[in-house]
Amino acid sequence: AQSVSQHNHHVILSEAASLELGCNYSYGGTVNLFWYVQYPGQHLQLLLKYFSGDPLVKGIKGFEAEFIKSKFSFNLRKPSVQWSDTAEYFCAVNAGGGADGLTFGKGTHLIIQP
Amino acid sequence: DAGVIQSPRHEVTEMGQEVTLRCKPISGHNSLFWYRQTMMRGLELLIYFNNNVPIDDSGMPEDRFSAKMPNASFSTLKIQPSEPRDSAVYFCASSLERSPAGTQYFGPGTRLLVL
Repeated sequence: AQSVSQHNHHVILSEAASLELGCNYSYGGTVNLFWYVQYPGQHLQLLLKYFSGDPLVKGIKGFEAEFIKSKFSFNLRKPSVQWSDTAEYFCAVNAGGGADGLTFGKGTHLIIQP
Repeated sequence: DAGVIQSPRHEVTEMGQEVTLRCKPISGHNSLFWYRQTMMRGLELLIYFNNNVPIDDSGMPEDRFSAKMPNASFSTLKIQPSEPRDSAVYFCASSLERSPAGTQYFGPGTRLLVL
């Protein structure tokens, strides 16, 4: 079975700071990797995903993530955060076929101070 | 296009009552997922369907929970009898199995409070 570990439960940054949120997964086979964002009071929205090809994937709102297979990692990055990035961020994984349910990390609560 | 639709958005009930949550997936999607979100356990997969057939219900916590998908455009998650520990946000998601990575699109959730 898969598992996902997000290292930081709470992160507080100032506007314009750079962001990196850690995500490690545990699974022996081919995986698909996702980052979802949940803005306050809203439902989960897909930020980006990796399923094959270039390990550096770009998503919406200036976010990107890099899949490093040797480290079982899929860290989320943004060079300059904005106050509107305040939200909960979830890393998720499912098996290579893509039809299975997602296994989520516990989430990282990001607060951006103006 | 309409996204995943869930109803009700909020439900307050008393312990022992039956609760039914509803979900309408995105038209054309053939996979449907039910998740539960709590502070203690985060987001957990409860059950998922493919072409209206339940594939994996290993996440369903107890026999008090049941889910059905009578057709491609409707699913229900029922809790009978409900207990205070069932209080959570329940999300429904749908995907198109053939799409790369089977990206799942989430509904707004049903916030359930069992008193």
